[in-house]
Amino acid sequence: DTEVTQTPKHLVMGMTNKKSLKCEQHMGHRAMYWYKQKAKKPPELMFVYSYEKLSINESVPSRFSPECPNSSLLNLHLHALQPEDSALYLCASSQETSGASTDTQYFGPGTRLTVL
Amino acid sequence: LAKTTQPISMDSYEGQEVNITCSHNNIATNDYITWYQQFPSQGPRFIIQGYKTKVTNEVASLFIPADRKSSTLSLPRVSLSDTAVYYCLVGRNTDKLIFGTGTRLQVFP
Repeated sequence: DTEVTQTPKHLVMGMTNKKSLKCEQHMGHRAMYWYKQKAKKPPELMFVYSYEKLSINESVPSRFSPECPNSSLLNLHLHALQPEDSALYLCASSQETSGASTDTQYFGPGTRLTVL
Repeated sequence: LAKTTQPISMDSYEGQEVNITCSHNNIATNDYITWYQQFPSQGPRFIIQGYKTKVTNEVASLFIPADRKSSTLSLPRVSLSDTAVYYCLVGRNTDKLIFGTGTRLQVFP
């Protein structure tokens, strides 16, 4: 199984809502990532979890709150978002092996978020 | 982190070979070069990774000259389904991956 799943596929929310994005992988990967991608732009890294601990936070506003309940799950909690936060939110995972090579990241299909 | 530069877009016709070049002048000794493909509204997909010389898999070839300051992704005999954005990334395992602007490849019939 080389699949990363994300739910929901689409999400529309108001600026006062609280919602969560979910990501799941069963490849035994120990690193998981959240990216944000605006239209016609490259993915931008938001957070990295390594062995269920937050290892990188790319100065993301606190209205985005990541959570890694276990090694297979990654959540992104959303609260008081702005319309400019509308984007495709991608989850990825990788093995997190030591060594010189760069681990392949496996991406999910993303959640298309619209903030009204 | 090494910054990468790629052409913004390329056009090709079905059946042709496509070569996309990426410049990474500041590549570090331990950095690897990785290419991803992304279709609209999907997550990026790993294509190929290399460190030096040439790497080939069932999808593509990656050519890296001795100075490693550039690399070329070669797609043999492209089809319409190869229309996508191709990203070149440079780094090593402990680095966060930074996606550059990517190259938008359009394949015509």
